[in-house]
Amino acid sequence: KAGVTQTPRYLIKTRGQQVTLSCSPISGHRSVSWYQQTPGQGLQFLFEYFSETQRNKGNFPGRFSGRQFSNSRSEMNVSTLELGDSALYLCASSLVRGGHSEQFFGPGTRLTVL
Amino acid sequence: QKEVEQNSGPLSVPEGAIASLNCTYSDRGSQSFFWYRQYSGKSPELIMFIYSNGDKEDGRFTAQLNKASQYVSLLIRDSQPSDSATYLCAVRGGSNYKLTFGKGTLLTVNP
Repeated sequence: KAGVTQTPRYLIKTRGQQVTLSCSPISGHRSVSWYQQTPGQGLQFLFEYFSETQRNKGNFPGRFSGRQFSNSRSEMNVSTLELGDSALYLCASSLVRGGHSEQFFGPGTRLTVL
Repeated sequence: QKEVEQNSGPLSVPEGAIASLNCTYSDRGSQSFFWYRQYSGKSPELIMFIYSNGDKEDGRFTAQLNKASQYVSLLIRDSQPSDSATYLCAVRGGSNYKLTFGKGTLLTVNP
């Protein structure tokens, strides 16, 4: 079974631009979560989608948004990029929400904002 | 108080020794506890999960959970240089199902 895939793997953008990242979960998985990872802050939760609805949201500004499609694929968008948005963005999928469901990570998208 | 705290490390052990990684959490309603391993430049990889009090063993790895003390640990027996990585503790809350991660502990196993 294929794992979680993320595209693109690397991105370089300049301040003020916007970016869209894509995530395809493991086949059959319906929950998709997004995280930002930086050396200083560690792994920080952005949001979770299940059945095309945002179920949880972390403490990030409104510039960070996402959506989930009917096939469970998810995208996240960051508008008006800032230097501090440079990070590894990780997507993780799980079969169902909550309970004891295990979450599996994709390889991540490395975003650099210049 | 941070939601999930790990011993900050770095932790250095000789090859063949037992590495002990610790994690405490603040949400008493937490249901599920996970350990991830992250090699430098890679994404986190799930290596263990535990839901009930006590010990759970998988090969060289043992996860221990004590809900009364709000404490979860990971023991790595017969540590190998390939175990050198950052280990992340993750806790799923009881109310909102969100998975919260600790900052991680960097483990180095010296040959």
